[in-house]
Amino acid sequence: GENVEQHPSTLSVQEGDSAVIKCTYSDSASNYFPWYKQELGKRPQLIIDIRSNVGEKKDQRIAVTLNKTAKHFSLHITETQPEDSAVYFCAASPGTGGFKTIFGAGTRLFVKA
Amino acid sequence: EPEVTQTPSHQVTQMGQEVILRCVPISNHLYFYWYRQILGQKVEFLVSFYNNEISEKSEIFDDQFSVERPDGSNFTLKIRSTKLEDSAMYFCASSELGRRSTDTQYFGPGTRLTVL
Repeated sequence: GENVEQHPSTLSVQEGDSAVIKCTYSDSASNYFPWYKQELGKRPQLIIDIRSNVGEKKDQRIAVTLNKTAKHFSLHITETQPEDSAVYFCAASPGTGGFKTIFGAGTRLFVKA
Repeated sequence: EPEVTQTPSHQVTQMGQEVILRCVPISNHLYFYWYRQILGQKVEFLVSFYNNEISEKSEIFDDQFSVERPDGSNFTLKIRSTKLEDSAMYFCASSELGRRSTDTQYFGPGTRLTVL
């Protein structure tokens, strides 16, 4: 089955700097890659997603890149702000078999003011 | 903006007891999911549900678990005989179309289950 690896587990940046979180997946049939932000005690909130027919997608300060050949995808946050501090999860949906989403282990992002 | 809702927000139960967690998906959504998150760990898929039947389930979703759509709005997860290791946050999610997992899933606020 699908396996998603996420790095780093913890990331600390200064306000205004960029943050990059990287994920790899194992199932080459996966075709949908969402990113979720989870604040303490709250639900995961979708912040951006990318489908396999696209290599890059941007939404204001957030961008995601996908390299299907290498089975890598990354989240880039520019001009970080203290309110970006949260746990970020990458995920992958296998292209076969149905409807489940496999999550990475999460990255705890700290943005220092 | 419509949201997935879940009740209760926190459930405390004794080991061996049955619990039912309730979810109200977004009204025009057709696909429903349950996930769990043990404290400090990642979100894990349990089961997906469409057209009144399970579409897919993980190895975690054993015979102790069942799901049901008892009416037009609720979607429930039942754990028949709870174990200590069932203690976790349980998230319900729904998506509009499903489309082989490429459709966006929206999560509810979660139910924190504590088994004593």
